[in-house]
Amino acid sequence: DAGVIQSPRHEVTEMGQEVTLRCKPISGHDYLFWYRQTMMRGLELLIYFNNNVPIDDSGMPEDRFSAKMPNASFSTLKIQPSEPRDSAVYFCASSPMPTSGGAWTGELFFGEGSRLTVL
Amino acid sequence: AQKITQTQPGMFVQEKEAVTLDCTYDTSDQSYGLFWYKQPSSGEMIFLIYQGSYDEQNATEGRYSLNFQKARKSANLVISASQLGDSAMYFCAMREGRVWGSNYKLTFGKGTLLTVNP
Repeated sequence: DAGVIQSPRHEVTEMGQEVTLRCKPISGHDYLFWYRQTMMRGLELLIYFNNNVPIDDSGMPEDRFSAKMPNASFSTLKIQPSEPRDSAVYFCASSPMPTSGGAWTGELFFGEGSRLTVL
Repeated sequence: AQKITQTQPGMFVQEKEAVTLDCTYDTSDQSYGLFWYKQPSSGEMIFLIYQGSYDEQNATEGRYSLNFQKARKSANLVISASQLGDSAMYFCAMREGRVWGSNYKLTFGKGTLLTVNP
């Protein structure tokens, strides 16, 4: 089975440019999460969706960041304009909804991450 | 206040020995879940083990076990018979919120870097 697919794996851009990160969650998963990982701040939740609807975006750093989920199989995280402090690894993760009688844990299935460098 | 605290930035262990990675958590919810993830140098996040707050038995998955002490709010990861491939960053995480609700998220600790020496 295909896991969570993220693209690009690596992105190097210059300050001020627009950056778009993409994510395809595991088919059938109802939750999608965007995390950012830096040495200083660790893993931070930016935003998450349930059934394509944003539930909590309190972790989005500022208006330069935006995320969309137009359908169940695709999400984007956009940074415009980008700044050097946005340099990080951005992870997308998905998770299924609990089912009656199932052994649901809430485990997140992570993509391989997108490493962003803003010069 | 931090919800997940991992007090050991780095740990060393000799190959074939056991090691315990510490994790304490803070929540007022009665229903919550605790996770451990491994992140090798290649960067991917690998799920290791899960413990639900209502689970009476400590979770085990192969060489991994979770020492769950609810009253102390600790969820330490024990790796038995360490292997060189266990060298990685290890993250403790907590899911709060109602199991059947639509509002939940995982909060991660800062991680512990484990080095297994030959």
